[in-house]
Amino acid sequence: GAVVSQHPSWVICKSGTSVKIECRSLDFQATTMFWYRQFPKQSLMLMATSNEGSKATYEQGVEKDKFLINHASLTLSTLTVTSAHPEDSSFYICSARADRENGYTFGSGTRLTVV
Amino acid sequence: TQLLEQSPQFLSIQEGENLTVYCNSSSVFSSLQWYRQEPGEGPVLLVTVVTGGEVKKLKRLTFQFGDARKDSSLHITAAQPGDTGLYLCAGEYGGSQGNLIFGKGTKLSVKP
Repeated sequence: GAVVSQHPSWVICKSGTSVKIECRSLDFQATTMFWYRQFPKQSLMLMATSNEGSKATYEQGVEKDKFLINHASLTLSTLTVTSAHPEDSSFYICSARADRENGYTFGSGTRLTVV
Repeated sequence: TQLLEQSPQFLSIQEGENLTVYCNSSSVFSSLQWYRQEPGEGPVLLVTVVTGGEVKKLKRLTFQFGDARKDSSLHITAAQPGDTGLYLCAGEYGGSQGNLIFGKGTKLSVKP
């Protein structure tokens, strides 16, 4: 089945630094990938839609200058949290879909802690 | 704005009992998906329902999509401790790219 690999699985960084999270589709090409954020005991909230070869589409309230998305190839999308602050601490998850007959495949998530 | 209301939010039952989780919306979805998520991991797809009135079974789990494609239910028969986890419904809307909106989840605990 379709596999989405997300790296790193957890990261601790100092306030003010930037963190890059990678999302790879291992056995299929994904022109579109999705980035979600999940706070403790809450559901997934879509942050942005990553489009290969074009600009990402951000959801209302998500700062595009803070959450930089790059989708340079059909198998890789990256999310960079710039100038991270403690309130950015969260569980970040990416997803993609191999085909329309199936649901979305999610990465294993990245636990970001900003200290 | 699409909203997907999922209930109950928490459910604690004894092994062997049956349970039903509901997802409701005023919006029509092109498909509805159910996921299960373990702590610290991404959601894992259980099933996708596409056709109004569709029923799918996965061992002791039965999924139903409402006739109007606005609601769905997940029924678990004879729950086991291994069923413990967070269950999420997600409705897909939009055009060819598709977008997912998630319910708030149901945290299920099955006690032996």
